[in-house]
Parts: sequence; structure tokens; C-alpha cells
Amino acid sequence: EAGVAQSPRYKIIEKRQSVAFWCNPISGHATLYWYQQILGQGPKLLIQFQNNGVVDDSQLPKDRFSAERLKGVDSTLKIQPAKLEDSAVYLCASSSYSGRAYNEQFFGPGTRLTVL
Amino acid sequence: AQSVTQLGSHVSVSEGALVLLRCNYSSSVPPYLFWYVQYPNQGLQLLLKYTSAATLVKGINGFEAEFKKSETSFHLTKPSAHMSDAAEYFCAVSGYTGRRALTFGSGTRLQVQP
Repeated sequence: EAGVAQSPRYKIIEKRQSVAFWCNPISGHATLYWYQQILGQGPKLLIQFQNNGVVDDSQLPKDRFSAERLKGVDSTLKIQPAKLEDSAVYLCASSSYSGRAYNEQFFGPGTRLTVL
Repeated sequence: AQSVTQLGSHVSVSEGALVLLRCNYSSSVPPYLFWYVQYPNQGLQLLLKYTSAATLVKGINGFEAEFKKSETSFHLTKPSAHMSDAAEYFCAVSGYTGRRALTFGSGTRLQVQP
């Protein structure tokens, strides 16, 4: 079974530029998450999708970050314009959904963003 | 609101020694608790999970953790460290109803000395 795919793996940009990350979840997984992991910290949720609807985006800096999950499969996360503090690893995770039961989250390898 | 505190950002043990990584949680609802491991330039891998069944949970690679409600703890242990255990370890919590996104601790880097 293929895992969660992310691209690119690494990206270096200048501040105020824009950048986009792509995530392809495990086939059939209804729930998709984007986490931001700043160096020395644990991952922090940015946004959670259930199919193509947003469940939680309370920690997404909406003035510069946006995300979409068209057709309930792939997802893109965009930053425009980027700031120095956006330098981090962006992790995508997916899980199946079955109501109240626990469903394991599977993580992709992440995209490491450096903003200069 | 949920939160996780990991005591000790760095832990160093000798190969063959006991590994103990500490995690305390705060949750307004009965929690699900997790330990993840992250190797350099890789994503997170689930080591073990507590989902309200047995309080002593066994995971992969010889790791186990015990859920102690009275102490709000979920410490990770391994009887004998191996060089390949050197990595970053994250404790995480999620509620079992509604929002299931994970809230992570700040991580503990485990170093294993030969």
C-alpha cells in the first residue's frame, strides 16, 4: 500500500514570495491533515479536511495561508506572501474515517521550507 | 483544551540501558494518547497508542507505555536501548469525540551512546 506522498521535499524561497505544497493521501482516506513543525517543536495542526470540507482551520494564519482539497483527494497548501517565521517542515497526514472509532494517522515525509 | 508536556528535550542513555521518556497530558475529555518516532528527514511513525483499552500498551521495536490516569502520565519505556533507537520522540493526545487532530508535545531527542 502506497503511503502519503508529498512534494516538493525541499523548497527555498525569499521572503514575500509565494509557495505551494502538494499532498496525495493514502487511497480511500477521507481525513487529511496539514501540520507545521518548526525546528525544535512538535507538529502543530494547521488545517483538517473531512473529504473536501474543512473540519478545523482555527490555527491557520488565513491572511497568508490557504489550503484546498478539491474532489476530496489531493490537497495543496499555499503561503502568500511567505515570512521568515514560516520556515518549517510541513507535514501531511491522512486517516480513514469510521465515526467514533479510532483511525490511525499516517504521515508523509514532509516538505522542508526555508524562507530567506 | 488538550496539551502535552514532555519532560526533557534531550535524553542520553548507554546502549543496553533502560529508556524512559516522560509525557504528561492535560485533557478535558478521556484522551487517546500516542507516541511517535521521527528519524532524520523522515515523517512520523506511530510507536504505540492508548485508546481506552488496556492501560499498559505495547508497541513496535520493544517499546511500551503505561497510561496512569491518577498521574495524567503516559511515559514511554524500553528495557534495553539499541543504537537504532536514536531519534526524536513525540507524545501526542487527541480527543475521542469530535476533533481528532493530534496535539503534540515538543519532543525528546534520544541519544544512545555505545
